Amino acid sequence: GDSVTQMEGPVTLSEEAFLTINCTYTATGYPSLFWYVQYPGEGLQLLLKATKADDKGSNKGFEATYRKETTSFHLEKGSVQVSDSAVYFCGTQGGKLIFGQGTELSVKP
Amino acid sequence: NAGVTQTPKFRILKIGQSMTLQCTQDMNHNYMYWYRQDPGMGLKLIYYSVGAGITDKGEVPNGYNVSRSTTEDFPLRLELAAPSQTSVYFCASSYGDRVGAEAFFGQGTRLTVV
Repeated sequence: GDSVTQMEGPVTLSEEAFLTINCTYTATGYPSLFWYVQYPGEGLQLLLKATKADDKGSNKGFEATYRKETTSFHLEKGSVQVSDSAVYFCGTQGGKLIFGQGTELSVKP
Repeated sequence: NAGVTQTPKFRILKIGQSMTLQCTQDMNHNYMYWYRQDPGMGLKLIYYSVGAGITDKGEVPNGYNVSRSTTEDFPLRLELAAPSQTSVYFCASSYGDRVGAEAFFGQGTRLTVV
């Protein structure tokens, strides 16, 4: 069945550092790929998405590119802020919506 | 702008008790989902529904039941609660048959089984 694997956290960075969170997926066909973010005490909210190979999703300085050949959708940001501290989930939808285990990001001033 | 509403927000159950977690959405979404979130384990799909009258198992369905009699409501039933069901439960909805459709999440229900 479909599955998603994310790099384990927690990830701790200093403000303005470069961020990469790795995500790989297993799915049949061409699923849509997502990154969701969860702030403390809240539900998940969509950060960005891509729906076909080589698409780049972007939002709030975050980017991720749909790589069919490596079945990956890595999340990147050039300069993180304290306000980016949250848990990030990679997800795939080829029918049902499946998520990885989440990566906690902590950004220190 | 209610979106996805879950009740209750917190609940403590004794082992062997039963309860229903309520979820309702006002966006006319066809797909609805139930997840549980355990520390370090991410979000696991329990059950989902693609429309009224249709439900299907997710990754971790054992110990749970669902029904979908209306588009708006998707209750999750726990029978004979066990400590392993202590978790935070999230309900979500979307236009799941549309490519790239965003899922909207409720605020979660924190359940403790003692």
